[in-house]
Amino acid sequence: QKEVEQNSGPLSVPEGAIASLNCTYSDRGSQSFFWYRQYSGKSPELIMFIYSNGDKEDGRFTAQLNKASQYVSLLIRDSQPSDSATYLCAVQLPMEYGNKLVFGAGTILRVKS
Amino acid sequence: NAGVTQTPKFRILKIGQSMTLQCTQDMNHNYMYWYRQDPGMGLKLIYYSVGAGITDKGEVPNGYNVSRSTTEDFPLRLELAAPSQTSVYFCASRKTGGTYGYTFGSGTRLTVV
Repeated sequence: QKEVEQNSGPLSVPEGAIASLNCTYSDRGSQSFFWYRQYSGKSPELIMFIYSNGDKEDGRFTAQLNKASQYVSLLIRDSQPSDSATYLCAVQLPMEYGNKLVFGAGTILRVKS
Repeated sequence: NAGVTQTPKFRILKIGQSMTLQCTQDMNHNYMYWYRQDPGMGLKLIYYSVGAGITDKGEVPNGYNVSRSTTEDFPLRLELAAPSQTSVYFCASRKTGGTYGYTFGSGTRLTVV
């Protein structure tokens, strides 16, 4: 069983703070990693992906990957109330498993104004 | 360009009834997926397809069937509905090869009573 683990939260941060969301995965052969945002009652929306060790920045979002530790994180700078949502970490399995995405259960983020 | 379209958006079924959840995409994506999402849980893969005429089971296929006669359409069939199939169902698609995230449909909320 390929697993992706996330703290379910809720993670509460004040407006303007940095929100840090974490994810660990079990399959060392995984190559690509995704962060999706899901508002209540809506479908998941891709916000970041990363496949190399290190950091990848896109606006207020930074994804961090450490393959040796099998750890992925998402930082949201200058958090806004509109960032309040569930954040899903997804890991793409290797080719022999059909390159399928395995999702974590998600972390609920609440940004308080 | 409509993306991934799912119908219906909501449905109530009685135990033992059958139904088909429709999914169509207009992006010429070869890969298509069906996931279910239960409250507080991540997305669980039901079935997936890597192209017309090719389907394979995911993590939770029991009680479901799929077909893929065209690139555009990937319907999910529920036979003999059970309360355990009460969930939100998402269809998704992605391009072949490389690191591409999924594009999700808006979901179907199914209740079995």
